[in-house]
Order: sequence, then C-alpha cells, then structure tokens
Amino acid sequence: AQSVTQPDIHITVSEGASLELRCNYSYGATPYLFWYVQSPGQGLQLLLKYFSGDTLVQGIKGFEAEFKRSQSSFNLRKPSVHWSDAAEYFCAVGMDTGRRALTFGSGTRLQVQP
Amino acid sequence: ETGVTQTPRHLVMGMTNKKSLKCEQHLGHNAMYWYKQSAKKPLELMFVYNFKEQTENNSVPSRFSPECPNSSHLFLHLHTLQPEDSALYLCASSQEGLAGSKARETQYFGPGTRLLVL
Repeated sequence: AQSVTQPDIHITVSEGASLELRCNYSYGATPYLFWYVQSPGQGLQLLLKYFSGDTLVQGIKGFEAEFKRSQSSFNLRKPSVHWSDAAEYFCAVGMDTGRRALTFGSGTRLQVQP
Repeated sequence: ETGVTQTPRHLVMGMTNKKSLKCEQHLGHNAMYWYKQSAKKPLELMFVYNFKEQTENNSVPSRFSPECPNSSHLFLHLHTLQPEDSALYLCASSQEGLAGSKARETQYFGPGTRLLVL
C-alpha cells in the first residue's frame, strides 16, 4: 500500500525567508503527487500537482515543488515566505487504479514570524 | 471560495442524537467525497460518489450513512455516534473526464463541519 510521510509536524520561518516542506512517498510506480494548503477554518486548496514530465512544477501563490524519483520525494518550496502563508500543508499521493482515493500525509503546520 | 459549501459549520451532538451534514457544490462536478480530518491524523477518505452512485466506501461504520440525491448535493447522516467521531468533516468534489485518470482529478474542498460528539 502507498504511504506518504511529512517528517516535519511544525515549522517556523521568518517572513521573507525561504521555505522547504518535505514529503516522501512509498509506492512502486510513479505516483500522482499533490500539495494542498489548509488555512485556519478553511478547506484544502490545491497548490500544485505532478503527473509526469518536467520534474519541477510551479503552483499558485509562488510555490513550486520538485519530484525526485531517486529519493521518492516531492518537496514544496517557496523562495520568500509571506505572513499569509501561515497554514497547514498536506502532501498527497494518488495512483492509477481506477479509484479516486488519495493518500494524504499528516500535514506540516507552518508558522511565519514577523 | 464558494465552490463547495457545507452546513452547518459547527455541530455539537449527543451520542443518541441523529443529525445530518450537508454539502453542495456549485462547480458542475460529478464526483463528490466525504473526508474525516481528526487531530494529528492524516485525512481519511470515507465515501466517494460518482454521478450519484457510491463508488468507494472506506470501511466506514454504519453509524455514518451517506446520501447523494444528485450530482450537486451530498449528505452525511449521523446516528449513535461515539466521542471518537469528533472531527472536522470535509466534503470535496471533482470533475471526471478532464484529467484522464480518476486519481489525477483535482479535488475542490469545502470549509468543513466541525463536529463534537458528547
């Protein structure tokens, strides 16, 4: 069965600093990979996704992620964090089995210091 | 974001009560989902409906009973819940056919119903 690990439960960065959130997955083939963000009191919003092709994908709000097959990773990055980026971030994996079910990581809560 | 709405936003119920959660999507999608989000646990898929038919049930206890009368509305009927069922219940929708694979579909989430079972 596939699994998703987000090793960092909680991260604090200063506003303007760079950010990298880690995501590792376990799956035999190339999965479909997603990053979602959840602001307080809100549902999840898709930041970006990777299916195939260029391993560096751009998303909304200035985020990008890089798929590294050799490391089974799909880390999320942002060069300069804004206070409004404070939220919880979820990595998710899907696979081509005819089902819609995604496997989500436990999430990383991002705090932004002024 | 008003594409997927959920009511109520907060609900407190006793273990003997019966209540229902409602989800409505205004995006013209044909697939709808219920998820459970508990503290410190990954998001858990509960049910998936496609064109009003249930296509996935992730071994959810029968005290949770979903209903999908049409592609825009999804309900979760609750009865005799347990305190451990307290969680945020999220509804989502997606559109089949655009992504080429069901697992590629972008899911659009509602804000959730925060449920407390006493």
